[in-house]
Amino acid sequence: GAGVSQTPSNKVTEKGKYVELRCDPISGHTALYWYRQSLGQGPEFLIYFQGTGAADDSGLPNDRFFAVRPEGSVSTLKIQRTERGDSAVYLCASSLPGGPTDTQYFGPGTRLTVL
Amino acid sequence: KNQVEQSPQSLIILEGKNCTLQCNYTVSPFSNLRWYKQDTGRGPVSLTIMTFSENTKSNRRYTATLDADTKQSSLHITASQLSDSASYICVVSWGNEKLTFGTGTRLTIIP
Repeated sequence: GAGVSQTPSNKVTEKGKYVELRCDPISGHTALYWYRQSLGQGPEFLIYFQGTGAADDSGLPNDRFFAVRPEGSVSTLKIQRTERGDSAVYLCASSLPGGPTDTQYFGPGTRLTVL
Repeated sequence: KNQVEQSPQSLIILEGKNCTLQCNYTVSPFSNLRWYKQDTGRGPVSLTIMTFSENTKSNRRYTATLDADTKQSSLHITASQLSDSASYICVVSWGNEKLTFGTGTRLTIIP
């Protein structure tokens, strides 16, 4: 079956611009996670959705970052007034109810480059 | 501060050989520990998940161990193959499904 998909695969933007990154989770997965991975580092947690609501957004670095999941499936990560430090690979993962041992399935990521 | 440290940072071994990757963590409250394999340019793929009460778990040629007392885990790869070349990331789950990722061990298998 289809895995987690993310679009675009690459995004190049200029400093100060607004970007949207999209994640399509595995069908039926109620939990959805966003992570940011800088070069040579492990992924860093940003936000976790259970259904339509953000169950935990403590990883969002500042108020320029915002994510939505209006219908409980597709999610969009929105970054306003991008800065060069936002350059990273943004990973999305989904899982079933999101219990302690549920496996998170990751998408291929969106590589964001802010010039 | 919740941290996950992995060693070595990188490792090169000959095809067919075994290797062991280490993970130490200072995470509380501990929920579970996961090992992921991440190929270059791809998202991580889960290898094993272990809860507090599990000491060892195997997945084909991968065997993970967990010592919750010393807060250490290892991933042993048996009879390595060229396709095992990847980054191996130790991830500790804590609190309400929060994950703290290690920086990974970059494994290279050479023929």
